[in-house]
Amino acid sequence: GAGVSQSPSNKVTEKGKDVELRCDPISGHTALYWYRQSLGQGLEFLIYFQGNSAPDKSGLPSDRFSAERTGGSVSTLTIQRTQQEDSAVYLCASSLESIGNEQFFGPGTRLTVL
Amino acid sequence: EDQVTQSPEALRLQEGESSSLNCSYTVSGLRGLFWYRQDPGKGPEFLFTLYSAGEEKEKERLKATLTKKESFLHITAPKPEDSATYLCAVKETSGSRLTFGEGTQLTVNP
Repeated sequence: GAGVSQSPSNKVTEKGKDVELRCDPISGHTALYWYRQSLGQGLEFLIYFQGNSAPDKSGLPSDRFSAERTGGSVSTLTIQRTQQEDSAVYLCASSLESIGNEQFFGPGTRLTVL
Repeated sequence: EDQVTQSPEALRLQEGESSSLNCSYTVSGLRGLFWYRQDPGKGPEFLFTLYSAGEEKEKERLKATLTKKESFLHITAPKPEDSATYLCAVKETSGSRLTFGEGTQLTVNP
């Protein structure tokens, strides 16, 4: 079956521009997560959505980062006024439910801020 | 705060040379410990979930074990295609996020 898909696979932008990253979770998965993987570092939690509940935004590094999930499916992560330190691979994952179940990851979006 | 430490950072083996990767963790209450494999340029691929001390799971040449403080990923007679970065992550009982270690980069030479 289809896995988690993300687009674009690569994004190069200039400092100060806004970017949008998209995630399509596995059909039927109610939980969706965003993580960031910087060079030489582990995956860092950003935000998670579970059904119609309020999202857990506790991992977002600044107010320049936001995310939404429309219709309980597709999610968009937006970074405003990008900075060079935002350069990383942004990974999306989904799971059947938020507690106990394994998360399945997409291929990621590599963001480079010049 | 949850903490996950993986060792070694990098491991180089000859084909057929068995070894183990370590994942030490600190968590207020463990809901699950997860092992993933990540190939360059790809997202992590799920391998195992362990829920309680004493639990073991196997898949091909890999076996994961769990104690109250650490987990081991044993690789028996590895092949070059086992080369990848292996990631360990924990989920606590009160949360949904995964807290990851920095991974062990495994290289298996033919």
